[in-house]
Amino acid sequence: DAGVIQSPRHEVTEMGQEVTLRCKPISGHDYLFWYRQTMMRGLELLIYFNNNVPIDDSGMPEDRFSAKMPNASFSTLKIQPSEPRDSAVYFCASSFALARSNSGNTIYFGEGSWLTVV
Amino acid sequence: QKEVEQDPGPLSVPEGAIVSLNCTYSNSAFQYFMWYRQYSRKGPELLMYTYSSGNKEDGRFTAQVDKSSKYISLFIRDSQPSDSATYLCAVDRGSTLGRLYFGRGTQLTVWP
Repeated sequence: DAGVIQSPRHEVTEMGQEVTLRCKPISGHDYLFWYRQTMMRGLELLIYFNNNVPIDDSGMPEDRFSAKMPNASFSTLKIQPSEPRDSAVYFCASSFALARSNSGNTIYFGEGSWLTVV
Repeated sequence: QKEVEQDPGPLSVPEGAIVSLNCTYSNSAFQYFMWYRQYSRKGPELLMYTYSSGNKEDGRFTAQVDKSSKYISLFIRDSQPSDSATYLCAVDRGSTLGRLYFGRGTQLTVWP
């Protein structure tokens, strides 16, 4: 399996521009997560989907951020307009819901999209 | 107060040393405790997973949870340069898959 695939890996954009980050989860996974990682705040959950439906978007910082999952194999995170404080690494992750047990569940992360807003 | 607190380090040790990484958490409702390892410019990957209190061992790695003190630990024995990475602890209530709360991560360097 190719794992979670994110694009672009790196993006440098000017303040005010629209940024779209893309994610292809692992085939068969029914949960998809968007995280943001910064030195100051660490790894933060922005939003997650179950079966393509947004379940919890309480981590989305403000209305400039939006996320969609039109089908089971694709999701986007959009920032419009972008600001310098949005500079961070954005991770997409996916998981398959299993019955809870001591063996646990695993969330698989992509390699991240490194965003710089200047 | 953040759900999980973790000293970001950095931590630098010689090869062969025993490494101890620690986190504290705030909510006694958390039942699942995880350690993720993140290599430079990569995504986090699950290293260890523990349910409730106790120890779990996997090779050179031991995860320990003390729910009474809300304290979680990761021990690395005979540390190797390949262990150099950032280690993130994470906790989960167990009510909803995926609602993990992460620590900020501790950057570890093991020098030869």
